[in-house]
Amino acid sequence: GAGVSQSPSNKVTEKGKDVELRCDPISGHTALYWYRQSLGQGLEFLIYFQGNSAPDKSGLPSDRFSAERTGGSVSTLTIQRTQQEDSAVYLCASSSRGDQPQHFGDGTRLSIL
Amino acid sequence: GESVGLHLPTLSVQEGDNSIINCAYSNSASDYFIWYKQESGKGPQFIIDIRSNMDKRQGQRVTVLLNKTVKHLSLQIAATQPGDSAVYFCAEMVTGGFKTIFGAGTRLFVKA
Repeated sequence: GAGVSQSPSNKVTEKGKDVELRCDPISGHTALYWYRQSLGQGLEFLIYFQGNSAPDKSGLPSDRFSAERTGGSVSTLTIQRTQQEDSAVYLCASSSRGDQPQHFGDGTRLSIL
Repeated sequence: GESVGLHLPTLSVQEGDNSIINCAYSNSASDYFIWYKQESGKGPQFIIDIRSNMDKRQGQRVTVLLNKTVKHLSLQIAATQPGDSAVYFCAEMVTGGFKTIFGAGTRLFVKA
């Protein structure tokens, strides 16, 4: 069966550009999470969606980061005016509900030049 | 693929030996715990979970132990194989919630 799909798998862009990262969760999963993983670090929580609403946006590092989810399915994470410190792997996960194991995609590796 | 966690604590074991990976969790209200395995260039993969009404749970070659008194979790891997080489994360949650707190991770090296 299909797992969590993220695209693109790799993204290289210049500082100051905007980027959009996409996540297709497992069909029927209502909970969706975004994390950031820098080299040598663990997982940093960014945002959580239950359906289309995001009850907790506290992990977003700055107002340059935003995320949306439409139709209770696909989610996009947008980073505006990218900075070099935004370089990381961005992981998406989904679960059938909030307190169940999360299924992760393989991430988008973002490199800001 | 990209390496994950170059500066993580590391455990090196001989193939065939048993491995024990430890984790101290932070929130005394957490009542649901999960171990994930992350291979290089991949996302974390669920291994095993345990709820706070248990202190031990076994899977295939893996056992999770929970000590709520000292807020400690461990993952035991029996007869460790080269394919077990990865970074292992513990995670804690509160039932009914959504916030997952991940540990820093431990890198397991299996020597053939």
